[in-house]
Amino acid sequence: GESVGLHLPTLSVQEGDNSIINCAYSNSASDYFIWYKQESGKGPQFIIDIRSNMDKRQGQRVTVLLNKTVKHLSLQIAATQPGDSAVYFCAERVGNNRKLIWGLGTSLAVNP
Amino acid sequence: EADIYQTPRYLVIGTGKKITLECSQTMGHDKMYWYQQDPGMELHLIHYSYGVNSTEKGDLSSESTVSRIRTEHFPLTLESARPSHTSQYLCASSESTRQKIQYFGAGTRLSVL
Repeated sequence: GESVGLHLPTLSVQEGDNSIINCAYSNSASDYFIWYKQESGKGPQFIIDIRSNMDKRQGQRVTVLLNKTVKHLSLQIAATQPGDSAVYFCAERVGNNRKLIWGLGTSLAVNP
Repeated sequence: EADIYQTPRYLVIGTGKKITLECSQTMGHDKMYWYQQDPGMELHLIHYSYGVNSTEKGDLSSESTVSRIRTEHFPLTLESARPSHTSQYLCASSESTRQKIQYFGAGTRLSVL
């Protein structure tokens, strides 16, 4: 399944399918882009990041893709599991003081 | 598992009361942050600190104040709570050299009646 991030805040997928969560960013000066996962009743948890001079980075079952031409970031989750159900946030690090600017979340629901 | 703790988890309070939301971390991180988050929405930075006796206002204007007298403790205070302050407040910390990886507490959900 695939979301369009800001415009479709909910993504529903079947267990075992691959998920793609999208995010549009606005600041060309951002040097890092980061994905966080927030489970119900918890604070966000770091998943993976990518430096602005890269276009792809892989982690365990997750891949982040960065397209600077269209200012687009995506998180791919392979073989989605029920434990992946959460709200996913993209964030960009900007400015001299390196603050994080957070995007709107996308809710991922995994159906058994 | 992050060693950052927020109390209380839930708080229901009447208008005009003074409240303090507690945040403590045991990781020795220099940098700490307070965010405000409405349900399902993005996080907005309201305060941050780069070390003891250093505090700055974030991007979202807030009537709250913070203090950083000890490295591990970063409390947030509202002198006079109002219904517009109803929200979730998240505290986070990070290492000085890895600010993009922030460790979050579970949050305090505040309701002002």
